[in-house]
Amino acid sequence: SQTIHQWPATLVQPVGSPLSLECTVEGTSNPNLYWYRQAAGRGLQLLFYSVGIGQISSEVPQNLSASRPQDRQFILSSKKLLLSDSGFYLCAWRSRPGGRSTEQYFGPGTRLTVT
Amino acid sequence: GENVEQHPSTLSVQEGDSAVIKCTYSDSASNYFPWYKQELGKRPQLIIDIRSNVGEKKDQRIAVTLNKTAKHFSLHITETQPEDSAVYFCAARGIYNQGGKLIFGQGTELSVKP
Repeated sequence: SQTIHQWPATLVQPVGSPLSLECTVEGTSNPNLYWYRQAAGRGLQLLFYSVGIGQISSEVPQNLSASRPQDRQFILSSKKLLLSDSGFYLCAWRSRPGGRSTEQYFGPGTRLTVT
Repeated sequence: GENVEQHPSTLSVQEGDSAVIKCTYSDSASNYFPWYKQELGKRPQLIIDIRSNVGEKKDQRIAVTLNKTAKHFSLHITETQPEDSAVYFCAARGIYNQGGKLIFGQGTELSVKP
């Protein structure tokens, strides 16, 4: 069966510091991968998605970036955090179109507080 | 661009009553409509989904209906229980959506009072 991991689970970082969040998926190949951010009490904002290694599409211009160095690894980064970067960061995956499943599943999330 | 509108934003019901959440989508090429439940501090969990070739789907106390002509779909929860309290998100995916991305509604906070 497929599982998705995110780490760290929680993170407190000062303004201006760098950021690296990691997401890995097990039990599947060539997944589509997604990064979402959820501000407190708000909806799901899609930040980036990837359909393959090295292929990143950005949905919202900001000071964040994403990378996919391996098929099942998705990384969210920032060089300098802003207070507005605080939130709940969720990674998600789904099987590549044409596969048996069209469902999308979320990872456990990383709660980031920028102080 | 594609848009999904979700109503109401908050919903309070008595235990045992039914709850209905409605969503409207803009992209007529949408063919997949999932619903997620997010409990406080947790990840969104897929609870039910429906594809465009089906008008209704049921799973125990929850059901989803789809009206393709009107471009809206609804979540129905019967015999609500306190553990149904959560934020519910609807979503839609169009066949031309790049990356297969889902377009989410704004969420509905459901409160079930014992």
